[in-house]
Amino acid sequence: GAVVSQHPSWVICKSGTSVKIECRSLDFQATTMFWYRQFPKQSLMLMATSNEGSKATYEQGVEKDKFLINHASLTLSTLTVTSAHPEDSSFYICSARAQTKNIQYFGAGTRLSVL
Amino acid sequence: QQQVKQSPQSLIVQKGGISIINCAYENTAFDYFPWYQQFPGKGPALLIAIRPDVSEKKEGRFTISFNKSAKQFSLHIMDSQPGDSATYFCAASQGAMEYGNKLVFGAGTILRVKS
Repeated sequence: GAVVSQHPSWVICKSGTSVKIECRSLDFQATTMFWYRQFPKQSLMLMATSNEGSKATYEQGVEKDKFLINHASLTLSTLTVTSAHPEDSSFYICSARAQTKNIQYFGAGTRLSVL
Repeated sequence: QQQVKQSPQSLIVQKGGISIINCAYENTAFDYFPWYQQFPGKGPALLIAIRPDVSEKKEGRFTISFNKSAKQFSLHIMDSQPGDSATYFCAASQGAMEYGNKLVFGAGTILRVKS
């Protein structure tokens, strides 16, 4: 099956710093990547949809200046949490949709802890 | 109308038994219904998916039953095993490009299979 690699798997940072999370599709080209946030024992909440070469589309209530998304190639999207605060601590998950299929493949997730 | 309602919230099944998780939706434009399995600290993995032109799909021990008129679909896990213990999410999406294939997730069901 298709593989989506997400890095890092766990990051701890100080309040006020920025953190970058990478999402790569390893064996397929992904025209669309999605970023989700998941709180403990809760469902996945879509944050934004990222299309290669264009600006990301953010869901209502998600601050685009705080969660910067870059989708520079068909295999890489990044999410940067800027000026992170403790309330940003969460599990962030990316998914990639193959160019030829309407199926989303998920990364393993990144646990962000902001001290 | 975009919601997908999932039940039960948690489920305990004896080894060898059948696990049944149900989902209901409102948006009749949804045309893709996947089920995801998620282990703690990991991203969701696609388990099985169905489109509304069939009423049932089986893959190994996993079966989706789909009732288009009732706008409901369910996951059946036959011969449940302790290794099936995980959180299961149903989801739905519209395939048309203008909707970006965004997945709407259910709240999740925590399954525990007792040995």
